[in-house]
Amino acid sequence: AQSVTQLDSHVSVSEGTPVLLRCNYSSSYSPSLFWYVQHPNKGLQLLLKYTSAATLVKGINGFEAEFKKSETSFHLTKPSAHMSDAAEYFCVVISTYNNNDMRFGAGTRLTVKP
Amino acid sequence: DAGVIQSPRHEVTEMGQEVTLRCKPISGHDYLFWYRQTMMRGLELLIYFNNNVPIDDSGMPEDRFSAKMPNASFSTLKIQPSEPRDSAVYFCASSSWTDGDTQYFGPGTRLTVL
Repeated sequence: AQSVTQLDSHVSVSEGTPVLLRCNYSSSYSPSLFWYVQHPNKGLQLLLKYTSAATLVKGINGFEAEFKKSETSFHLTKPSAHMSDAAEYFCVVISTYNNNDMRFGAGTRLTVKP
Repeated sequence: DAGVIQSPRHEVTEMGQEVTLRCKPISGHDYLFWYRQTMMRGLELLIYFNNNVPIDDSGMPEDRFSAKMPNASFSTLKIQPSEPRDSAVYFCASSSWTDGDTQYFGPGTRLTVL
């Protein structure tokens, strides 16, 4: 069985400061991990994915995430927040055993203050 | 490619009416997924198809829900009869094993049942 826990339901940062959105996963098999972003009234857009290659993954819009097996974590970071980053972020895990069993975290709402 | 296309984007209907949601996956993708998103339950996988064949419909809430995929470029999700508790955003996503099973989401259909 696999699952994802997003540790913060809401994160608020000031524009220009770093962003950290935390995600822990549980998986019986080697997982693939994703971060998706959802802007208000929009669909989900893929930010980045980890599929057992480099543990530091770079995505779009300056985001990156590091896979840490020892900590079962896949935290999303960005050095400097922009107003346009305000959105809902979802951490997702897929087991390589059943690659259509996609489990979503509950989401983290990012607010960016001017 | 235009991405995953969903129609309509918004649907308002009265309780008891039939509702049909439509999805066109990305050309060449062999998997198609239907999700429902609500504030209370987050994102839930309803059903997915592989090569037009339903593989797992365990997430379909009840017999009022049905989904079909008559060909590789079209799928429908039907609710008959609709109820107010069906109000949600319904997402369609598609993927291909050649792309590491990354799911690409459509913009969603916002359904309101009065």
